[in-house]
Formats: sequence, structure tokens, C-alpha cells
Amino acid sequence: SQQGEEDPQALSIQEGENATMNCSYKTSINNLQWYRQNSGRGLVHLILIRSNEREKHSGRLRVTLDTSKKSSSLLITASRAADTASYFCAPISNFGNEKLTFGTGTRLTIIP
Amino acid sequence: KAGVTQTPRYLIKTRGQQVTLSCSPISGHRSVSWYQQTPGQGLQFLFEYFSETQRNKGNFPGRFSGRQFSNSRSEMNVSTLELGDSALYLCASSTLVGDNSPLHFGNGTRLTVT
Repeated sequence: SQQGEEDPQALSIQEGENATMNCSYKTSINNLQWYRQNSGRGLVHLILIRSNEREKHSGRLRVTLDTSKKSSSLLITASRAADTASYFCAPISNFGNEKLTFGTGTRLTIIP
Repeated sequence: KAGVTQTPRYLIKTRGQQVTLSCSPISGHRSVSWYQQTPGQGLQFLFEYFSETQRNKGNFPGRFSGRQFSNSRSEMNVSTLELGDSALYLCASSTLVGDNSPLHFGNGTRLTVT
């Protein structure tokens, strides 16, 4: 299994602005998942993008995937205070029976 | 549908003691994974169970163990607690192992070792 590296480590923006965070990984993938974690709570699955997809939307979330660069980005549009959380990516390689591992995440703070 | 339930929510133990944490997965989910989260090490994978069998294991000492019951509920045990075991322990369930289905996490057990 492999873990993604999220960048930046921390991000602070004003409410209403867009937030972009990036994920890089090392080997080929089957899919890549994004999760959110509010302080002191469990992770929540946000979106899954498969290796043959380039872009996926879910509400205010937009995820892109560039397999040639081995990178993904998560865009949150029109940010809200409730978006304050840590965001993690989990790249899943082509092999089955694989555990999900996580990097250190991007800590997003929305300033009201 | 009820989410993943972890008990207890908070726990305080003394060095040298042992502790058992419990996780009830979402109904119908047969795979349960455990993670340890600390400020210094981040989110570390402990182990994964499917149909009462351990399928994957992380790099933790033998003091950390787990099991899964026939109803998919899981427990993890830490023996001879050390101060460094203080962490948020998260349990996650999914429908199958190996199909890369998303994980559903509980809100964790906050363990403090004094």
C-alpha cells in the first residue's frame, strides 16, 4: 500500500473563498479517496475518483486526478466555517486486499 | 442505518495496565480496520479484520492485538500500556476487503495513559 502526501500542511482562507489542496503519490493507482476529519472525531469519506476519471464533482467539492503526474487536487468552493477540518487523501494501488493508509493531511481553517 | 460505534469514548489508564476498546461496525459491513492517531505520528494503521480473520497488520508491537467476532464486532487490546500509547483510536468499517470500498469511521476512543 502507499500513502499520499498532502500539500500544503496548513491553509487559512476567508469564508467564501475557494480552498485547494493537493495530494501526490508514488505508484500507479486503482482509485484515490479523499476524507475529512473534524477535530477529535473520525474521518468522513468525501469522494472517490477512479484512475480512468479526470474530474469528479460532489456539491461544492471538485476533485481532479492527473495520473501522469501522480497527483490529485481537492477544491472546495465558497468555503464555510463548517469546512474547517483536516483533509486526507488515500491512494489505492491496483492490488486487492490493500489497507488504506493516510498521510498527515492538510489542516484547513476558514476565517469567518 | 446506525454508524460505526466505538466504546468507550474516553479512557484514562495507568502505565502497565491493559485496555480493551470496542467497535461495532455498520450493519452488513464485514471488514473492520483500526487506526491510531497521535499528533506526532499522524494516522497509523494497526490492523484489519474480515470474517474473523486478520487480513492486514501495521507495524506495531505485539502488545497491540485485536479480534473480530462472528457478528463483525471487533475489539482491540493493548497490554502493558506505555505513555506513548496515549492517542485517539479509530475504528472503520467497510463492506468488503480488497474492493477499495470507502471506509466509515467511528468517532474514536480517546485513550490517555498516565
